[in-house]
Amino acid sequence: AQKITQTQPGMFVQEKEAVTLDCTYDTSDPSYGLFWYKQPSSGEMIFLIYQGSYDQQNATEGRYSLNFQKARKSANLVISASQLGDSAMYFCAMREGDSGGGADGLTFGKGTHLIIQP
Amino acid sequence: GAGVSQSPRYKVAKRGQDVALRCDPISGHVSLFWYQQALGQGPEFLTYFQNEAQLDKSGLPSDRFFAERPEGSVSTLKIQRTQQEDSAVYLCASSLARTGGLNYGYTFGSGTRLTVV
Repeated sequence: AQKITQTQPGMFVQEKEAVTLDCTYDTSDPSYGLFWYKQPSSGEMIFLIYQGSYDQQNATEGRYSLNFQKARKSANLVISASQLGDSAMYFCAMREGDSGGGADGLTFGKGTHLIIQP
Repeated sequence: GAGVSQSPRYKVAKRGQDVALRCDPISGHVSLFWYQQALGQGPEFLTYFQNEAQLDKSGLPSDRFFAERPEGSVSTLKIQRTQQEDSAVYLCASSLARTGGLNYGYTFGSGTRLTVV
């Protein structure tokens, strides 16, 4: 089974609208971290936001917020007031805390290609 | 430097050729990771270093792949006898933190796009 599932291969959104990018995850580890990265056409992975499995509140970073629903194993990214520069690939990723070898590597989803239209 | 630097930016190799991909992490960053990103996919973990020690190489797809970081700074990912399925973007990331602790951020480079023809 895939550990990270992103069900939206592509999305078109009008500028200034809010966007929700879906991410569900699968782990039996009680300790884990969830990340969202943006990858523009230049190729670099840009860190956006982090949510720990024990965090009580949803993470927020500027226009980015993470809608963390632990029971549903869901960690959707919300971008408020979208801008043309938000057009990029977006990846959800997870690091599991106690999985031994490879515990420090991230497991990524397949990504969502977001296109903001003027 | 200010960021993680990878070279070359693009590499075209003939099938069977050996290639070496270089990663210059941020100065002082202890941890260094290599990922492989196939077209239309998310990155997949290859290997991880803490300083010069390679602590995890479970993601390397075959024994044709070899990574080193002899002095705990610059790292090289070498692929011997390249095959077409090796075509991908190879991303390097570094982090200031040591292992342990879930929330430590990576800084990624822009990657090397390898095309095997």
